[in-house]
Amino acid sequence: DAGVIQSPRHEVTEMGQEVTLRCKPISGHDYLFWYRQTMMRGLELLIYFNNNVPIDDSGMPEDRFSAKMPNASFSTLKIQPSEPRDSAVYFCASSLGALEQYFGPGTRLTVT
Amino acid sequence: KQEVTQIPAALSVPEGENLVLNCSFTDSAIYNLQWFRQDPGKGLTSLLLIQSSQREQTSGRLNASLDKSSGRSTLYIAASQPGDSATYLCAPGSGSRLTFGEGTQLTVNP
Repeated sequence: DAGVIQSPRHEVTEMGQEVTLRCKPISGHDYLFWYRQTMMRGLELLIYFNNNVPIDDSGMPEDRFSAKMPNASFSTLKIQPSEPRDSAVYFCASSLGALEQYFGPGTRLTVT
Repeated sequence: KQEVTQIPAALSVPEGENLVLNCSFTDSAIYNLQWFRQDPGKGLTSLLLIQSSQREQTSGRLNASLDKSSGRSTLYIAASQPGDSATYLCAPGSGSRLTFGEGTQLTVNP
């Protein structure tokens, strides 16, 4: 299996622009998670899905952030408009049931 | 709200040493606990998953224990190698939600 796939691996954008991060979970996994990692706050759960349905989005920082999972093999995290404080590494993870989570390589986002 | 503390924050040891990384958490009502390693600039690699009904799990030179009632877990690394150098993260899980500690940055010197 190819593991969790994320794209792009690096994204540099200007403040105010829309950013879309993409994730392909491991085939057969029914849970998908989006995390954000910063030096100040460590790893934080933003939102997670079960069978394509958002279950808990309490970690989404504000309305500028949105996430979708249109099917079992694809999810997006969108930031609109982006701000410099959104600069972080964004990870996607998937699991089968509420068990072992497998992480993707992450997307390093820089907002200037 | 679950809070996770990992001690020590950083550790530097010579190759071959056995070592213990500590993790404590405030809410003992967990379903499982996962240990990860993270290499600089990389994603997280799952090392071990301990279910709440288990007391320990072993994988190769790694052994993780869980004392749910006292809110503690330890990761034991035997015969450390330079390739073990990384940040180790502890994450207790409540249902589907993992809460991460700040990690222990391990350096194994040749």
